[in-house]
Amino acid sequence: AQKVTQAQTEISVVEKEDVTLDCVYETRDTTYYLFWYKQPPSGELVFLIRRNSFDEQNEISGRYSWNFQKSTSSFNFTITASQVVDSAVYFCALSEKDTGRRALTFGSGTRLQVQP
Amino acid sequence: GAGVSQSPRYKVAKRGQDVALRCDPISGHVSLFWYQQALGQGPEFLTYFQNEAQLDKSGLPSDRFFAERPEGSVSTLKIQRTQQEDSAVYLCASSLDEGRAPLHFGNGTRLTVT
Repeated sequence: AQKVTQAQTEISVVEKEDVTLDCVYETRDTTYYLFWYKQPPSGELVFLIRRNSFDEQNEISGRYSWNFQKSTSSFNFTITASQVVDSAVYFCALSEKDTGRRALTFGSGTRLQVQP
Repeated sequence: GAGVSQSPRYKVAKRGQDVALRCDPISGHVSLFWYQQALGQGPEFLTYFQNEAQLDKSGLPSDRFFAERPEGSVSTLKIQRTQQEDSAVYLCASSLDEGRAPLHFGNGTRLTVT
C-alpha cells in the first residue's frame, strides 16, 4: 500500500534562512506522481508542484526547489531565503497510476513558521 | 475565474443529526474529489467523481456517508446520524481532466459534532 511520511512535524526558522522539508514515500507502482501542496491559515490547499516518477530532474521555481531521488524514495522541498509569507502547513502527496486510482495519499504535513 | 466553492463554511451538528455539505467545482472541471481532514492531519480521500459517475468510494468510512453529483457539476456530501468522530474539515477539490491534473481545493467545511 502507498504511504507518505513527513517526519518533521513543525519547523521554525528566522526570515531569510533556507529550509528543507522532507518527504519519503512508499509505493509498489512503477508509475506515479508526487505533489507538494501548501495550506495557509485560510485552509485552502494550494498546488505547488507535480512530478512524474520518470522525471528525476530537479526543479527550481523562484525561491522554491525540489529534489526527487527515486533511489531513496524521497521528494524534498527547499525554500531559499524564507519569508514570513511562507508560513503554512506543507503537504507532500502521492498518486499511483498503475492501479488506475485517482486518490491522492497525503503525508501528515509539516508546519513551517517563519519568524521576522 | 471563480475557484472551488464550499458551503457552509462552518457547521455545528448535534450527534445523531444528518448534515449535507455542498461543493461547487470550477466550471468545466471533469473530476471532483472529497477529502476529510482531521485536526493536525493530512487530508484523507473519501470519494471521486468523473462527471456524474462515482468511480471510487473506497474512502467513505461507513455507510452513513453518501455523496452524489447528479448533473456532473455540483456535488453534495451527506452524513447521516453524525457521530463525534465525524468532526473534521471536509475538503472538496476539482480538476480539469480525469484526475491526474493538479487539484484545485475549496476552503473546506469545518464540521463540529457535539
